[in-house]
Amino acid sequence: QVQLVQSGAEVKKPGASVKVSCKASGFTLATFYMHWVRQPPGQGLEWMGIIDPSGGGTTYAQRLQGRVTMTRDTSTSTLYMELSGLRSEDTALYYCARGQKDSKITLFDNWGQGTLVTVSS
Amino acid sequence: DIVMTQSPDSLAVSLGERAAINCKSSQSVLYSSNNKNFLAWYQQKPRQPPKLLIYWASTRESGVPDRFSGSGSGTDFTLTISSLQAEDVAVYYCQHYYSAPPTFGQGTRVEIK
Repeated sequence: QVQLVQSGAEVKKPGASVKVSCKASGFTLATFYMHWVRQPPGQGLEWMGIIDPSGGGTTYAQRLQGRVTMTRDTSTSTLYMELSGLRSEDTALYYCARGQKDSKITLFDNWGQGTLVTVSS
Repeated sequence: DIVMTQSPDSLAVSLGERAAINCKSSQSVLYSSNNKNFLAWYQQKPRQPPKLLIYWASTRESGVPDRFSGSGSGTDFTLTISSLQAEDVAVYYCQHYYSAPPTFGQGTRVEIK
């Protein structure tokens, strides 16, 4: 069965960077578009960006451009999301989510369990 | 960006009764070339990630009980739970995938009355 298992919670100081991982199993990572979505505590969902199955090209949400980097390692079936210049408003649950196999449409059929990133001085 | 607005923000329904959640998009999410509405619904239970329930506005994801149904077109959509069960207590989100960036509604909390 499809599984997305994410790394553990992180506490970071303002201005620092964080890197969250997401290990995929039950499907071939290199054949699906993959996404990151975040959710501040008690709030709604925000799409962060997409990584293409072929070549690993990326598209990021405009408000995160310049601070977010999404990568993947197909040999270990692992996705990574790095966010730099952390601010208190970046405190959130970060989810990896599987998109579609043959289309870039942003429909998410499987989600990781979430990684809580807390930014606090 | 397309703004998604849900109503109500919360509702309390008796077990076995019907629950309906509305979602309105700031512009049409109906793609004329294939006549499909690029609209999905997700369920998020406490301390869990969202779960895909409905896509293309009315297609149930595999394994989703048939008491969940989606309807609507263009800018106005509804998620209906025909007979509320205790396990349906959750926050429900609509999401468009018509264009980048995809955006979500603010969520509707469903509770038992």
